[in-house]
Amino acid sequence: DTEVTQTPKHLVMGMTNKKSLKCEQHMGHRAMYWYKQKAKKPPELMFVYSYEKLSINESVPSRFSPECPNSSLLNLHLHALQPEDSALYLCASSQVLAKNIQYFGAGTRLSVL
Amino acid sequence: KNEVEQSPQNLTAQEGEFITINCSYSVGISALHWLQQHPGGGIVSLFMLSSGKKKHGRLIATINIQEKHSSLHITASHPRDSAVYICAVGSGGGADGLTFGKGTHLIIQP
Repeated sequence: DTEVTQTPKHLVMGMTNKKSLKCEQHMGHRAMYWYKQKAKKPPELMFVYSYEKLSINESVPSRFSPECPNSSLLNLHLHALQPEDSALYLCASSQVLAKNIQYFGAGTRLSVL
Repeated sequence: KNEVEQSPQNLTAQEGEFITINCSYSVGISALHWLQQHPGGGIVSLFMLSSGKKKHGRLIATINIQEKHSSLHITASHPRDSAVYICAVGSGGGADGLTFGKGTHLIIQP
């Protein structure tokens, strides 16, 4: 099983809402990633978790709050987002190696109204 | 931070043509990745390279570490190859986020 599952596939939220994105993998990977991709742009790294600990935060605003409750699950909690946060949010996982293939989920397409 | 440049940004070709997409990067890397993204978002890893050449079906990827350059080739292109092809690099050890090029939007016409 090389699948990374992201839910929901689509999400529409208001600027005052609180919502969460979920990512799950069962490949035994101990590194998990959140990327943000705006339309017609390449993905940009947001967060990296290694062995369930946050190892990289690319200066992401605090309205995005990641959480890694166990080695299979990664969440992204959203609060007080802005319309410019509308994007495709991609999750990926990999082994913790210098040369690692990252497996991507299909993404959550987020619209903030 | 690594700068990753891809060319061309857009490419339209006829079915059967040989396709080449180029990627260059600015500083040393641990590995270079070629990824494919279809409309709708899903990203698939095609190759991970740190040296030499790899082949999978009609796809070939090469890398020249000294010149900091990689190429992705598609032989006997087919309309189903139409997608965005993205070059990405990892620069460190362990769990390392990728730095992406802007992608090449490839359309293969029948």
